[in-house]
Amino acid sequence: AQSVTQLGSHVSVSEGALVLLRCNYSSSVPPYLFWYVQYPNQGLQLLLKYTSAATLVKGINGFEAEFKKSETSFHLTKPSAHMSDAAEYFCAVSDHPGTYKYIFGTGTRLKVLA
Amino acid sequence: GAGVSQSPSNKVTEKGKDVELRCDPISGHTALYWYRQSLGQGLEFLIYFQGNSAPDKSGLPSDRFSAERTGGSVSTLTIQRTQQEDSAVYLCASSLGEGNTQYFGPGTRLTVL
Repeated sequence: AQSVTQLGSHVSVSEGALVLLRCNYSSSVPPYLFWYVQYPNQGLQLLLKYTSAATLVKGINGFEAEFKKSETSFHLTKPSAHMSDAAEYFCAVSDHPGTYKYIFGTGTRLKVLA
Repeated sequence: GAGVSQSPSNKVTEKGKDVELRCDPISGHTALYWYRQSLGQGLEFLIYFQGNSAPDKSGLPSDRFSAERTGGSVSTLTIQRTQQEDSAVYLCASSLGEGNTQYFGPGTRLTVL
């Protein structure tokens, strides 16, 4: 069965510092992986997705994530945090192409300190 | 174009009452999903509609929960005899088809007193 683990329910970084949000997955088949962001009182917005093409995926707002099969990880990074990045971030996995079931992690709330 | 819309944005109800939550998917999207987001939890899959196929109801937590999708577009999630543990944000998503990226609405925050 698939599962997703997001390490750290809360992460704080200083403005301008590196953002690193961790996601590890478990899947019996090559996965599709996603990062979504949720701003206060809004729905989830897709940041980026991995669908078995390039292992380094670039998304919106300067975020990127690298698929590492050997580590079963899909960590989200951004070189320099902005205040506007403060939000909750969710990692999700789906088993294989053509499946609709996303399994979401419990989320990481990012706080950006001035 | 317009995204997924949900109404109401907030709903406060008394324990034991029935509630209906509405979702308008993106035009042309054949797949529609409902999720529940409880405090401190991730997103919990509830139900999935794809075209005219029978919906996947495997995520519905009890028989008090039901959903329908009329005309392949708008969907309504109904919770009967609400309980305090039903308090959560209910999110709807749609996609072009099965396996395509899911786009989420802003959610309905349900509070059961």
